[in-house]
Amino acid sequence: AQSVTQLGSHVSVSEGALVLLRCNYSSSVPPYLFWYVQYPNQGLQLLLKYTSAATLVKGINGFEAEFKKSETSFHLTKPSAHMSDAAEYFCAVSDGANFGNEKLTFGTGTRLTIIP
Amino acid sequence: EPEVTQTPSHQVTQMGQEVILRCVPISNHLYFYWYRQILGQKVEFLVSFYNNEISEKSEIFDDQFSVERPDGSNFTLKIRSTKLEDSAMYFCASLHTDTQYFGPGTRLTVL
Repeated sequence: AQSVTQLGSHVSVSEGALVLLRCNYSSSVPPYLFWYVQYPNQGLQLLLKYTSAATLVKGINGFEAEFKKSETSFHLTKPSAHMSDAAEYFCAVSDGANFGNEKLTFGTGTRLTIIP
Repeated sequence: EPEVTQTPSHQVTQMGQEVILRCVPISNHLYFYWYRQILGQKVEFLVSFYNNEISEKSEIFDDQFSVERPDGSNFTLKIRSTKLEDSAMYFCASLHTDTQYFGPGTRLTVL
């Protein structure tokens, strides 16, 4: 069984500061890992994904994440926060052994607040 | 850019009534999914569908739930007799390569 743990249900950062959202996973097979963003009253939008290629992946809106197998982590970062980054962020894992068509298992989400 | 669409955006129903939530996946996608998100909680998998069959379902997806692909474009989730605890946001997704693309969701409110 797979699982995802997101540390910190709420994170606040000042505009222009570093954003770090933490995600740790558990998987019995090499995982595929995803970060999705959810803006208020909207659906889930893919930010970036790791699917066993480069361990440092870049996504939209200046976000990136690094897959660290030894730490079972896939933390999301952005060097400089913008007001428009305020949203809920979900880390998710799927079973890469089935070419990614398995269900996604989501973490509980992290609400990011940007302080002007 | 193609998108997954869902209708209605908001559905209000009485407990015990049947509801059908509709989704139009991105054309040429072959795997389809339903997830739900109860207010304030995480997104949970309900069911996956491929080649006109259920591939996998969660323990949430009991006999009250069913899915169907009635034609070449629509993918529906039916709840036969709604309960108060079915109130949630329901997301449809379709798969391309290794990524699931989500629709905007249907907010279901059961009174």
